[in-house]
Parts: sequence; structure tokens; C-alpha cells
Amino acid sequence: QQQVKQSPQSLIVQKGGISIINCAYENTAFDYFPWYQQFPGKGPALLIAIRPDVSEKKEGRFTISFNKSAKQFSLHIMDSQPGDSATYFCAEGGLTFGKGTHLIIQP
Amino acid sequence: SAVISQKPSRDICQRGTSLTIQCQVDSQVTMMFWYRQQPGQSLTLIATANQGSEATYESGFVIDKFPISRPNLTFSTLTVSNMSPEDSSIYLCSVSGLVAFFGQGTRLTVV
Repeated sequence: QQQVKQSPQSLIVQKGGISIINCAYENTAFDYFPWYQQFPGKGPALLIAIRPDVSEKKEGRFTISFNKSAKQFSLHIMDSQPGDSATYFCAEGGLTFGKGTHLIIQP
Repeated sequence: SAVISQKPSRDICQRGTSLTIQCQVDSQVTMMFWYRQQPGQSLTLIATANQGSEATYESGFVIDKFPISRPNLTFSTLTVSNMSPEDSSIYLCSVSGLVAFFGQGTRLTVV
């Protein structure tokens, strides 16, 4: 049973724009809420993760916003670049993954 | 963090044959996980491999089709047995603590 609902399924953003991907979770017991980035032919790689006692975490152009009361968290990619084109997965901890968002950054 | 080496990275196999995928971790871990990822889809957990005990399989996956070995705390194998074209997929091994780390995957094509 899907416990992490991710949206949108696909997203097209112009170069330089902001990409936003959302996740809603059910289980509040996890210590980390990560985002993974997967390029074709590669395994998913940890991109950025946030603890539930923090509302925002920023690493370079990537930011996680966490809303504990709404049980939602989102990934923002600022100044999106063609090299950011990939599939992104949110997760609860290390075992429950969203269905993925196929992100395409158009030059 | 963990570094996971998975091989082969890809293979094309005849139906009815078997393929064994190997996964090596750079540190000792209690549990290792095997996933299947259909093209463009999310990750589906096949089984959890514990050292010294039988693997635990998820609904829809059985040991006869996907036998798993876990001889020590840094290594595991997944075999895809009696393959059919429906088994064409990406297979991933993973270790997980607070977050997950993945091998680069094995892209399997069954013809």
C-alpha cells in the first residue's frame, strides 16, 4: 500500500525556472524524509534529506520544505538546469518511496 | 553513507535461463534489500536479505523465482530464475538506515 503520495508524475520546466515536487506522507515515525535523484541507467542517489523537526533545509539550488502539521514535504529546485533532468523520488526514511516524478528541464 | 557495487550492470538473457546479480557493500550491514524497477516506474521491494537467515519476500515474489543468498555482512546475490520477457527490468540492491543507498542497478533484458 502506497504510503507516500508524490506529485506531479511528470514536470516540464524551462531552464532557469523553479521546479517543485510535492509529497504527502502518512507515517510520522521516521527520522528522515529524503529525496533521491535518478538518472537513466543509474541507481537512485540521495539528493537531500530533512529531519521532521526542521521546516526547511537548503543545499545549493535544492531546498526541502517540510510541513509537519500537514504531513507534506516538497523539493524546490531553483534556477533549474538541463542537467537536473532526472527522476526524483521522495521517501519516508529508507524503505517507502513515492512513485517518482520525471522532471525535464527545457533549454 | 555506503558504497555499493553491483554487477553486472546489464545483460541480455534467453528466456528460460537464470541470471545471478551480485551486490557488494563497502561496510558491514545487517540488512540488504533487493528492488525491481520497471522502466519509468517506482521501486518495488522484492525481498529483504538478512545474514544468517532466510530472506523475507514481499507479496508477489517467491523464493523459487528470486532466490537470494547472504553469505556475509557485506555481500548478497539475487538470482532471477527461469526468466521470461516479463522479467525484463532494472534490479537494484540497497542498504538502508535513516536513508537508503543503492547500487547502480542491473538492467536485464529477456529475449
